[in-house]
Amino acid sequence: EDQVTQSPEALRLQEGESSSLNCSYTVSGLRGLFWYRQDPGKGPEFLFTLYSAGEEKEKERLKATLTKKESFLHITAPKPEDSATYLCAALISGAGSYQLTFGKGTKLSVIP
Amino acid sequence: DAGVTQSPTHLIKTRGQQVTLRCSPKSGHDTVSWYQQALGQGPQFIFQYYEEEERQRGNFPDRFSGHQFPNYSSELNVNALLLGDSALYLCASSLGGLNEKLFFGSGTQLSVL
Repeated sequence: EDQVTQSPEALRLQEGESSSLNCSYTVSGLRGLFWYRQDPGKGPEFLFTLYSAGEEKEKERLKATLTKKESFLHITAPKPEDSATYLCAALISGAGSYQLTFGKGTKLSVIP
Repeated sequence: DAGVTQSPTHLIKTRGQQVTLRCSPKSGHDTVSWYQQALGQGPQFIFQYYEEEERQRGNFPDRFSGHQFPNYSSELNVNALLLGDSALYLCASSLGGLNEKLFFGSGTQLSVL
């Protein structure tokens, strides 16, 4: 069964304290790995897509990396406005279809 | 540039009732996908509509059905509501029947009492 697991479930950081969020996946037919940010009461907002092991993408204080079994979202010197739930999702191909399977997310709180 | 819009934002129903949720995709997008997000969970794929046809479906019962109109807007219908259907229902739009780089709306919060 295809699975996407995120850890930790929740993370509290002091402003400026760098850390990483983990997304591990056991899927067949991975076509891409996506990261989204979700604020309370809002829909997910697209951040990155990674397609192959070794690939890296950066945006402001965020950097996403991908290996054959997991992806990391590195947050450098976070600010309070980075507080949100971060979701990863695997785009899986099978029987002619492509579906996104999401993890449960990591709730990040950045304390001033 | 209008993003993905969903209506209503909140809805309260009782068990056994039927509900219709609506979605207008981002300007220029022709594909609409629906997701269910329970509290504390990630979104779960319900189905995708492209060219007015259901193209892909997740593991949801036939009580969940949908429609896409010629202007690309879409409806999600849920019959015989159960308490477990209480969730945030998200609509996402994309281009060309693909699931790449989805743009999500803010969702409809459905409560079933």
